[in-house]
Order: sequence, then C-alpha cells, then structure tokens
Amino acid sequence: DTGVSQDPRHKITKRGQNVTFRCDPISEHNRLYWYRQTLGQGPEFLTYFQNEAQLEKSRLLSDRFSAERPKGSFSTLEIQRTEQGDSAMYLCASSTRLAGRQETQYFGPGTRLLVL
Amino acid sequence: AQTVTQSQPEMSVQEAETVTLSCTYDTSENNYYLFWYKQPPSRQMILVIRQEAYKQQNATENRFSVNFQKAAKSFSLKISDSQLGDTAMYFCASMNYGGSQGNLIFGKGTKLSVKP
Repeated sequence: DTGVSQDPRHKITKRGQNVTFRCDPISEHNRLYWYRQTLGQGPEFLTYFQNEAQLEKSRLLSDRFSAERPKGSFSTLEIQRTEQGDSAMYLCASSTRLAGRQETQYFGPGTRLLVL
Repeated sequence: AQTVTQSQPEMSVQEAETVTLSCTYDTSENNYYLFWYKQPPSRQMILVIRQEAYKQQNATENRFSVNFQKAAKSFSLKISDSQLGDTAMYFCASMNYGGSQGNLIFGKGTKLSVKP
C-alpha cells in the first residue's frame, strides 16, 4: 500500500503526559500537512512542510506542539504536557507542488487522541 | 480569510435516488481549487471530486458531479444512484492555487445517510 500511513491509530494518555505521533507520506510527495479534527467539525490546519522545511504554523499550534520532518520523509508531531482540550483526531496529508501549482492532498487514517 | 460553509448538518436519501449537498465559500483569491472529501464512519478521508476555479465546466466523477457557480461562490455535490456505501460525512474544502501555503479550508461537514 503506497498511501499515507499514521501511527499509532489510537492513543490514550493522562493529562500532563507527552505524546508523539508519526506520519509517513506517499513517497514522491514533497509536501506534508498536519490537521486537527474535533468531534462534529471539519479538519483545521495546524502546520505544513515542504521537504524538510516547516513553512507555516497555524495560531492553533501552541508552544506545546512541535512538528519535525527530518530528511523530508516521515514527520512527527509531539504534544507536550497534554491537556483535555487536545483530545481530537490528528490527520496527516501529503501532496506535491509542481510548477507553482498545489496538487491534491491525500489523507492518512488519523491518530485519535484521548486525554484523560 | 477563506471560509467554507455547509448549511446542511445531516441529510438522508433512499438507495438509488439522487441527493445534492450544498456548499458556499468565500475567498478574495481569483484562482483556487474546490474539493469534496468523504469520510466514512471510522475510516479515512478520501477525495471525491475536485474543481479548478478557472474551469467553467463542472467536474464529474462517475456518479458524482458538481454544480460550480463561481459568481455565487456556490459548489454543490450531486450524488446519483445513491449506494449504501455512500453513507459518510462529506466535507467541502477550498485551497488557493499556487502561493506558498496551500492548506485546505474545510466546512463543518454534512452527514449523509443512505437508507435501504
């Protein structure tokens, strides 16, 4: 399967703990996006990478959140000192950007986080 | 700022019938893409159909077609011959063409139930 994969699929943690999620994009895609989706809402943009460079961060991404994409391949999203409000589905998507055009984003299955 | 509005939180349709999901958007850009994504229960988000704003012809993809009214900033999705597998959340989304960002802006979604 050459789609976007995410790990873990589910995570339950206690408030105050740190969690890290991983996303493996489609191999030829140079752009990688993170979104957050809460119950009953559409996904909201958090941050994105072009290759290894993090080019944009949403105001939703507090200082407790950090994302990396070493070597422009997989990406990790870490949440430090989790809060109950962090409970959500975290979605990863990847795409290519060719000749100045944005291409379609393909989504992974998501990581569902529950903070107790 | 871009916004996407889906005014129908829930809809239902009988199997084999046709249903139309509504979406309006607001953007100051002249060039952008519009998308419909489908998110089945507990499954990942998948692309249904995509429309480039500079194209006047409405996009079609098998049983799925759109009615794109650029002046009215309206982008509805028509599903013909509805099937039980079409049961899902449907999200309308917009994305700027070109530029350095390219993140998707989603509506809140419409929950579609196809009844046998």
